[in-house]
Amino acid sequence: RKEVEQDPGPFNVPEGATVAFNCTYSNSASQSFFWYRQDCRKEPKLLMSVYSSGNEDGRFTAQLNRASQYISLLIRDSKLSDSATYLCVVNINTGNQFYFGTGTSLTVIP
Amino acid sequence: DGGITQSPKYLFRKEGQNVTLSCEQNLNHDAMYWYRQDPGQGLRLIYYSQIVNDFQKGDIAEGYSVSREKKESFPLTVTSAQKNPTAFYLCASSTSGFAYEQYFGPGTRLTVT
Repeated sequence: RKEVEQDPGPFNVPEGATVAFNCTYSNSASQSFFWYRQDCRKEPKLLMSVYSSGNEDGRFTAQLNRASQYISLLIRDSKLSDSATYLCVVNINTGNQFYFGTGTSLTVIP
Repeated sequence: DGGITQSPKYLFRKEGQNVTLSCEQNLNHDAMYWYRQDPGQGLRLIYYSQIVNDFQKGDIAEGYSVSREKKESFPLTVTSAQKNPTAFYLCASSTSGFAYEQYFGPGTRLTVT
């Protein structure tokens, strides 16, 4: 079983729409959680860390559900510039390794 | 400017040749990582290092080697033993400790023919 699983999509949404991605993780000892954004043929860039209490950064909201072992990312009022692949990342704190999901592809359509 | 640099951006090699990819960071991070990404796939860990002069194999270390002689530098050598070396290689670094995020370099696209 993979450590981190994501729906690969693609998600095609109109501008202004709200879209949500989920990511499940298998190890209950997972300690820290992140969402990264990766544009085509570029490196991943940190979008936001995910805290137990949930956190919001502008149009982006991340939440953690430890009981069900998933994290979510909500994007409100989608912009064309939000088109990218969103990677879910988990750190289990065994040797300081990070585990990446395969990513969810989002295309925002005019 | 603080960050991670990788060079070169594109690299072409003939089959059977070893090639070394450079990764340098000036973020004063203790931990450094090498990942490989193939089209349509996620990142796979090749090697990582939590401290100078120490490194551990990741999930796909066969055919690769690394060194960590300086805190700032973590070069990756792709040897001729790597059966399918053509890929996008990403270097990352982080502060030690599980709560800290990783930062990535711009990557090197290696093509072996």
